[in-house]
Amino acid sequence: GAVVSQHPSWVICKSGTSVKIECRSLDFQATTMFWYRQFPKQSLMLMATSNEGSKATYEQGVEKDKFLINHASLTLSTLTVTSAHPEDSSFYICSARDLARSYNEQFFGPGTRLTVL
Amino acid sequence: AQKITQTQPGMFVQEKEAVTLDCTYDTSDQSYGLFWYKQPSSGEMIFLIYQGSYDEQNATEGRYSLNFQKARKSANLVISASQLGDSAMYFCAMREGYGNKLVFGAGTILRVKS
Repeated sequence: GAVVSQHPSWVICKSGTSVKIECRSLDFQATTMFWYRQFPKQSLMLMATSNEGSKATYEQGVEKDKFLINHASLTLSTLTVTSAHPEDSSFYICSARDLARSYNEQFFGPGTRLTVL
Repeated sequence: AQKITQTQPGMFVQEKEAVTLDCTYDTSDQSYGLFWYKQPSSGEMIFLIYQGSYDEQNATEGRYSLNFQKARKSANLVISASQLGDSAMYFCAMREGYGNKLVFGAGTILRVKS
């Protein structure tokens, strides 16, 4: 199937710093990518839909100034957690759709575990 | 109201036996899609099976089948001949209409015993 990568796979940072997470579609072009957040033993919650060349669409309750999303190319979307705090510690997962391969399936990245000290 | 309900927080199954993981959904759309994903302890999300609302036959993918009961709004996952490697968290998800978004249920932790 289509491959989505994330970098880094884990990151530890100090409170107040910003962290950038990359999501790449390796063998397909993704006009739309999705960012999810998952707390331990909980479900995935959609944070935002990232559209190439336009502004991201954020879900209700997600601070757009806190979680900056950029989708500058058809293979790369980035999530920047600005001024991170311990409550931002979570597992962040991105996904993408390859409409040329499958209308239905979303291909997920391996996730990034963020720990804010 | 929750769109996807998974009522089983955890399940145990004996190796080589079949297991059913429950999922009910709530939508007023006529067109929607239902998905099952597996998440092992490594965290990756592995797509298992898809059922479209207009599909008349239950979806099957190898040892996975989806018991789709539209009138009851249920989309249970059946895993046949369980293997130790099936131990993981399982999520049911729904896409409404022709939109992009997936809504996930709370998940069911499955443990396969040898």
